[in-house]
Amino acid sequence: EPEVTQTPSHQVTQMGQEVILRCVPISNHLYFYWYRQILGQKVEFLVSFYNNEISEKSEIFDDQFSVERPDGSNFTLKIRSTKLEDSAMYFCASQTAIYEQYFGPGTRLTVT
Amino acid sequence: KNEVEQSPQNLTAQEGEFITINCSYSVGISALHWLQQHPGGGIVSLFMLSSGKKKHGRLIATINIQEKHSSLHITASHPRDSAVYICAVSIYGGSQGNLIFGKGTKLSVKP
Repeated sequence: EPEVTQTPSHQVTQMGQEVILRCVPISNHLYFYWYRQILGQKVEFLVSFYNNEISEKSEIFDDQFSVERPDGSNFTLKIRSTKLEDSAMYFCASQTAIYEQYFGPGTRLTVT
Repeated sequence: KNEVEQSPQNLTAQEGEFITINCSYSVGISALHWLQQHPGGGIVSLFMLSSGKKKHGRLIATINIQEKHSSLHITASHPRDSAVYICAVSIYGGSQGNLIFGKGTKLSVKP
């Protein structure tokens, strides 16, 4: 069965550093999303991406965040200057038009 | 304010029991999702529904749009069903992936 993959599984970084989280969505999917889950809290929507551009973003997704689909397969989330409060599990998901989303296994980001 | 409320927060059941998890929402939606989050953190989509009822194996999901309520049922529960079950909704008029998530229901099924 096709699956969404994410790398790395765990990233430790120092405050102020840039991080790039990578995702490989399912190949024929058209819609791509990033979510985050701070430890012990509920999952939160960050951004949706369709047709090579952001279609919607949440208040969390400020200027420190950016997304790209650089080569038609990878889908990346960049955090420009990490803060302690960025520590969370980040999930990528992809979807065809009308069916359920497929989630990746997540990247645990720890900012120290 | 919580736009998606789940109950109960925690649920312990004996193997074989019939389980119901409830979800209420306060916004207009285009779809409702039931997700399963494993202890390791991974999320699996169980159902996406906008009306009626869906069944997959021992899992059944129902939605009542007028009452803004959905239920997830597990028949003949098994210890491997132990996980956090999350209800999430797509707001009507928003992008499909702009989901509002509930806090989840932690289910533990004892052998």
